[in-house]
Amino acid sequence: AQKITQTQPGMFVQEKEAVTLDCTYDTSDPSYGLFWYKQPSSGEMIFLIYQGSYDQQNATEGRYSLNFQKARKSANLVISASQLGDSAMYFCAMREFTGNQFYFGTGTSLTVIP
Amino acid sequence: ETGVTQSPTHLIKTRGQQVTLRCSSQSGHNTVSWYQQALGQGPQFIFQYYREEENGRGNFPPRFSGLQFPNYSSELNVNALELDDSALYLCASSSDRFGYTFGSGTRLTVV
Repeated sequence: AQKITQTQPGMFVQEKEAVTLDCTYDTSDPSYGLFWYKQPSSGEMIFLIYQGSYDQQNATEGRYSLNFQKARKSANLVISASQLGDSAMYFCAMREFTGNQFYFGTGTSLTVIP
Repeated sequence: ETGVTQSPTHLIKTRGQQVTLRCSSQSGHNTVSWYQQALGQGPQFIFQYYREEENGRGNFPPRFSGLQFPNYSSELNVNALELDDSALYLCASSSDRFGYTFGSGTRLTVV
């Protein structure tokens, strides 16, 4: 079974609008971390936001927030006030406490329209 | 603090050849891991090194091998290159379980 599922291959959003990128995960480890990365065409994975499995509050980092629904095993990324520079690939990833690797989804290509 | 540096940035090799990719870890990071990202896919875990010892490996054949040096820099070696090895290879370093920094990657093309 896929550890991370991203069902939106591509998304479009108007500049200054908010957008939600979906991510579901699968693990039996009670302790894990969920991550979102941005990958521009240059290739670098840029860390955006982290949510621990025991965190009670949803994580926020500036314009990024993570909508963590543990029972549903979902960790959606919300980008508020989209900017043209937000156009990139976005990857959801998980790291289990007992493991030593990231599991990545297949990514969502976000295009911000002026 | 410096980030993770990978070299070369681009590389073209012929099928059957061998290649070495290099990664300079972020200062203070003693763990390095390598990922292969095929076109249109998410990164796949190759292996991880902690203090010069391999401590995890993904589903990659033995012709993918690595080294970590005392200064925590690392190499990824791939022997007998195949066309399917064409990908972006990402290196990530860390000093703890969750704080990983990725490099910009090496784009390998096998022809």
